[in-house]
Amino acid sequence: GNSVTQMEGPVTLSEEAFLTINCTYTATGYPSLFWYVQYPGEGLQLLLKATKADDKGSNKGFEATYRKETTSFHLEKGSVQVSDSAVYFCALGGRDDKIIFGKGTRLHILP
Amino acid sequence: DVKVTQSSRYLVKRTGEKVFLECVQDMDHENMFWYRQDPGLGLRLIYFSYDVKMKEKGDIPEGYSVSREKKERFSLILESASTNQTSMYLCASSSLAMTSGSLLETQYFGPGTRLLVL
Repeated sequence: GNSVTQMEGPVTLSEEAFLTINCTYTATGYPSLFWYVQYPGEGLQLLLKATKADDKGSNKGFEATYRKETTSFHLEKGSVQVSDSAVYFCALGGRDDKIIFGKGTRLHILP
Repeated sequence: DVKVTQSSRYLVKRTGEKVFLECVQDMDHENMFWYRQDPGLGLRLIYFSYDVKMKEKGDIPEGYSVSREKKERFSLILESASTNQTSMYLCASSSLAMTSGSLLETQYFGPGTRLLVL
C-alpha cells in the first residue's frame, strides 16, 4: 500500500541555516504530494503541494520538488527563522484516496 | 478562506464518560475526517465521511463512532472514554478541485481538541 517516510526529528538549527527535511514515498500510480505544517497549539496547515512529477511546490520560502525517479519530495528552505519552528508533515494522496501522512518532523530554530 | 472549527480546544473527562467532539466547516466540503495525533505516531485516521449520513472506518475506529447529519458538521463520539483515548483530536475537511489538469484533494484542518481522560 501507499506509505510516506520522513526523517525523524527533532531537527535543531540556528537562524539563517539551510533546511532540508527528507521525505520519500511508496505509491501505486501518481499521487499528489503535500507538506503540512503545525505550529505550536494549532492544527495542520497546508504549506505546499505538487501534483505531478517535476512539479515544484513553494510557499513562504519553502520549496519541494516532486521527484518520481527517487520517489522523494524533500522540503527545503534557504534561510530559516525562529518563526519556522513547528512540526512538518509530508503527505500523499490521490483522486479518491485518503491522504496518508508521515509521522512528522519537529523543527527547532535557535536565535 | 476555509474555516474548520472544533467545539473545544481542551477537554478533561473521566473514564467511562460519553464524549462528543464537534467539528464544523463553512466551505460546503463533501469530505470530512477525524484523526488523532500522538507523539511518535503522527496522525492516524479514525473515521471519515464523503457525504451526509455516510461514514467509513479509518485505521483505528475501535472505541469511536461518528455522526454526519448535516453536510457542515461531523461529530466524533467516544461511547465510554478510556485513558488510552487521551490524545489530540484533529478534524479536517476537503473537496476535490481541479488543479493543473489533475483532481487534487487538499485537506483543511481545525485547531484541534486536546482531550485528557482521567
